[in-house]
Amino acid sequence: SAVISQKPSRDICQRGTSLTIQCQVDSQVTMMFWYRQQPGQSLTLIATANQGSEATYESGFVIDKFPISRPNLTFSTLTVSNMSPEDSSIYLCSGGAGLAGGSEQFFGPGTRLTVL
Amino acid sequence: ILNVEQSPQSLHVQEGDSTNFTCSFPSSNFYALHWYRWETAKSPEALFVMTLNGDEKKKGRISATLNTKEGYSYLYIKGSQPEDSATYLCASGYSTLTFGKGTMLLVSP
Repeated sequence: SAVISQKPSRDICQRGTSLTIQCQVDSQVTMMFWYRQQPGQSLTLIATANQGSEATYESGFVIDKFPISRPNLTFSTLTVSNMSPEDSSIYLCSGGAGLAGGSEQFFGPGTRLTVL
Repeated sequence: ILNVEQSPQSLHVQEGDSTNFTCSFPSSNFYALHWYRWETAKSPEALFVMTLNGDEKKKGRISATLNTKEGYSYLYIKGSQPEDSATYLCASGYSTLTFGKGTMLLVSP
């Protein structure tokens, strides 16, 4: 198993600013992912964080809005850029040994973001 | 795009009651089905990963079944306890996971 921590745990931000969320895994994982959960909605995949290369974004998410870094196998960051109230969500990172479908995925506790 | 649905949306039971929830997913191109328990302000906790039709898994008082031909999975909790109060999520997929909206369970003492 893997233990995943996230910083910050919560934040309140002003419209137009950016926030970077950090995700740290206590062991090397092959795959890392970033999700968000908007109020009343399901967990939605934003992107797969690829080590040393550009992240793979899901439909509806773009790099300019959600730049992601993954410099090594245990760490990743997600930036929410030029925030608006619609970005108020819980953001979670996860990691696993292989394909998300076939292996157990471990999650961080999430970052609760409120944008005013 | 996968469509994963869960029912009921929420459930309120008394301590000692047994309960179950449903997760529906597309039966075509099925690869795996995941169940998670998510308590507020904590990390979602993986309960089960299921891949085979007819599979049954058990963890303490919690068990799950899988029917890939008809595209559903049931999660059962026997003798619910207040500490079982959480949101239960299911997810399906191959390289990535698509989640349902979850079933919020409240167990009253």
